[in-house]
Amino acid sequence: DAGITQSPRHKVTETGTPVTLRCHQTENHRYMYWYRQDPGHGLRLIHYSYGVKDTDKGEVSDGYSVSRSKTEDFLLTLESATSSQTSVYFCAISASGNTDTQYFGPGTRLTVL
Amino acid sequence: AQTVTQSQPEMSVQEAETVTLSCTYDTSESNYYLFWYKQPPSRQMILVIRQEAYKQQNATENRFSVNFQKAAKSFSLKISDSQLGDTAMYFCAFMTDSGAGSYQLTFGKGTKLSVIP
Repeated sequence: DAGITQSPRHKVTETGTPVTLRCHQTENHRYMYWYRQDPGHGLRLIHYSYGVKDTDKGEVSDGYSVSRSKTEDFLLTLESATSSQTSVYFCAISASGNTDTQYFGPGTRLTVL
Repeated sequence: AQTVTQSQPEMSVQEAETVTLSCTYDTSESNYYLFWYKQPPSRQMILVIRQEAYKQQNATENRFSVNFQKAAKSFSLKISDSQLGDTAMYFCAFMTDSGAGSYQLTFGKGTKLSVIP
């Protein structure tokens, strides 16, 4: 199994509060991704990173920001959480970008009340 | 934009039987990659199988095989000798080889498979 951890695994927060989710990998892979999973939608890409300090937006990036200061860590921040951001968040990694298989972390369940 | 359609929201199969999950996709790209991921109740996303569009041979992984029909833009997953541990959501996913462009995986909405003892 790919060495990917996510923290926290579960979080309940209130509307308007900032939230940061962390993805940590031990594979030294260049590419990292954040997806959200909602019923009826499959997984949708929020942001991805193609190197330290190199990030780009995905399909559903509004309300989210990311940072990557080290190869092993990719942070997802909700500046002011809303109820529509209640979801399960998955981090994924791949060695290269456009041809390589993505491997997923265990997910974080976030509930915004 | 690419789209992935899984037309069977739920399916069931008897243990030891064979089941096929359907997936169709729409793209104007000529080179791309297709995947099936499994998500058991534990929620972990697990790669089942991968297919490169430029390869004519269908991919196989033990009891899992695909029927890749490029002209029809179809990518079905066949599970042989179904086991109780195959009970899960199955997601079909698509990724383009677009050079410096998107590396996004586009997912279908999933098929919930139940294996019945």
